[in-house]
Amino acid sequence: QSALTQPASVSASPGQSITISCTGSSSDFGGYDYVSWYQQHPDKVPKLIIYEVSNRPSGVSNRFSGSKSDNTASLTISGLQAEDEADYYCSSYTGGSLIFGTGTKVTVL
Amino acid sequence: EEQLVESGGGLVKPGGSLRLSCAGSGFKFSDYNMNWVRQAPGKGLEWVAFISTSSNYIYYADSLKGRFTVSRDNGRNTLFLQMNSLRAEDTAVYYCTRDLEVRGWCFGWDIWGQGTTVTVSS
Repeated sequence: QSALTQPASVSASPGQSITISCTGSSSDFGGYDYVSWYQQHPDKVPKLIIYEVSNRPSGVSNRFSGSKSDNTASLTISGLQAEDEADYYCSSYTGGSLIFGTGTKVTVL
Repeated sequence: EEQLVESGGGLVKPGGSLRLSCAGSGFKFSDYNMNWVRQAPGKGLEWVAFISTSSNYIYYADSLKGRFTVSRDNGRNTLFLQMNSLRAEDTAVYYCTRDLEVRGWCFGWDIWGQGTTVTVSS
């Protein structure tokens, strides 16, 4: 299985909202709702921000939200802030395997 | 504090082997499913392997083609990754990760180690 497809980059001004897509085939999502999103700042360890499509771990800002429709999962960041500038990766359990997205670099203008 | 600490990385020649370790502390290690994830220099994340709490379920990325073996020792709170027949393309930072769900799985990983670097080069 190849990686899930994400846009290479997304940019917006502070306060705006952005949505990052994560697209695959039906087998890439395996009929499960085990889609997660990670934020990774440069030279830092990835941080879990969304799990099971739309759940936020404790301590993660409610400016981050997730959804899924058919073969596309999405991460929305509302009220964009400077500290949101980072790389974002989706991941999905496919049934006996897991795959990551290609990654999206978010730039806050 | 809940944490994972990897060790065992280093420089190895093509065709060589390495064994990575990941020590868990601050939580009941045996209650969590664990994974290895790697990231090549300047590249994205790549899932490597999954192992369930009692090692009953083990999954690998297809691309590894049987060269890697994941195991765990719950008595020592440690996760392992045995890597054989290493290739240049295995050069990466290797992270161990913990599933968020206790005695279950959601495939969301809330605890990551700091990573250990593996370099395969002659």
